[in-house]
Amino acid sequence: KNQVEQSPQSLIILEGKNCTLQCNYTVSPFSNLRWYKQDTGRGPVSLTIMTFSENTKSNGRYTATLDADTKQSSLHITASQLSDSASYICVVSPRTGTASKLTFGTGTRLQVTL
Amino acid sequence: DTEVTQTPKHLVMGMTNKKSLKCEQHMGHRAMYWYKQKAKKPPELMFVYSYEKLSINESVPSRFSPECPNSSLLNLHLHALQPEDSALYLCASSRSPGTGGDTIYFGEGSWLTVV
Repeated sequence: KNQVEQSPQSLIILEGKNCTLQCNYTVSPFSNLRWYKQDTGRGPVSLTIMTFSENTKSNGRYTATLDADTKQSSLHITASQLSDSASYICVVSPRTGTASKLTFGTGTRLQVTL
Repeated sequence: DTEVTQTPKHLVMGMTNKKSLKCEQHMGHRAMYWYKQKAKKPPELMFVYSYEKLSINESVPSRFSPECPNSSLLNLHLHALQPEDSALYLCASSRSPGTGGDTIYFGEGSWLTVV
């Protein structure tokens, strides 16, 4: 069964600090991995999308890494801001099938405080 | 324009009411989706429309009825819902339903409360 597990479940950090969120998946064969940011009560917003041949991708202060051999990904947030407080969801797509066959992780809830 | 627009943002309905959620995108995307999301849970796929035709129904109860009037619009008709159907309903779209690498754009969601 395709699964995506994220850790930690929740995280509190001080403004200005860095943090790293983890994602482990068992989706196989694998096509791509996405990270989304979801503010409470709002729709998810795409941060990065990586294919199985990519190791890293950046979007501003967000940097995602991917190790397709170990089936692990991480999202690193640099110099956190209060507006980074949200849930971060890892989403994996299989090689076959359509964009609809996505497996969502349960997310990491990040809170950035003063 | 990379927006998926959903209306209404909030909806409260009784169990005997009939209401509709609406979704619109003008990115020329040919795949559109409805997801249901409960609090602190990931989105769950409900329906997929591919080139305006229903291609996937994830065993959704018939009290939810999707409709795709044209390539830019997607509706979700609601009738005789139960309180447990209260959730955030997300519409999404992607360029093509057959390409797993497309970015999926989500709308802001419609908060539904069934009383």
